[in-house]
Amino acid sequence: SYKLTQPPSVSVSPGQTASITCSGDKLGDKYVCWYQQKPGQSPVLLIYQNNKRPSGIPERFSGCNSGNTATLTISGTQAMDEADYYCQAWDGSTVFGGGTKLTVL
Amino acid sequence: EVQLVESGGGLVQPGGSLRLSCAASGFTFSSLWMAWVRQAPGKGLEWVAHIKQDGSEKDYVESVKGRFTISRDNAKNSLYLQMNSLRADDTAVYYCARDQGHSTYGAWGQGALVTVSS
Repeated sequence: SYKLTQPPSVSVSPGQTASITCSGDKLGDKYVCWYQQKPGQSPVLLIYQNNKRPSGIPERFSGCNSGNTATLTISGTQAMDEADYYCQAWDGSTVFGGGTKLTVL
Repeated sequence: EVQLVESGGGLVQPGGSLRLSCAASGFTFSSLWMAWVRQAPGKGLEWVAHIKQDGSEKDYVESVKGRFTISRDNAKNSLYLQMNSLRADDTAVYYCARDQGHSTYGAWGQGALVTVSS
């Protein structure tokens, strides 16, 4: 079955840029979504179709996808961005990455 | 406002059954695929099942095939997940999610906790 691999954790200083990667075989040929989940809350869609932002999602969140890697970039990271982030793609069925815990310190 | 409200979670013994419901409002329920996604305690997200607008197509993660059944009632704007032969590793928060296309889950419910334990 298809697998998406994310780093378990990423740390960033406030105001800096955070990058979270998601790797999978020929991932660039698929649409990738990114979700943010804060403790005790339901996931929220951040990015869909690789680089599109739903209404209400701040512009500091962006995405790209090429080759075997998709990347979620958070520019000017804020303390409120501390959360778990999941990538997701479809390969005959929906697959989620294992998640990345973003720490803002 | 889009709302998805799950119900039916609880404690069940191994081998038992439970039926989850998801009440949808704020959008045309009958026009979209719907899905169930679960999250075991302290773990990541796992897609469980999805169903086409008219219920004619369904698919499941391998680990629940033959035990879980997804269904929907468009007249009642409701999504269901019948879970049989439950196992300890089915313990999770189960989310109802709206698929806005290309398996993009743009709306999620608050989740229903299912605990399988003796």
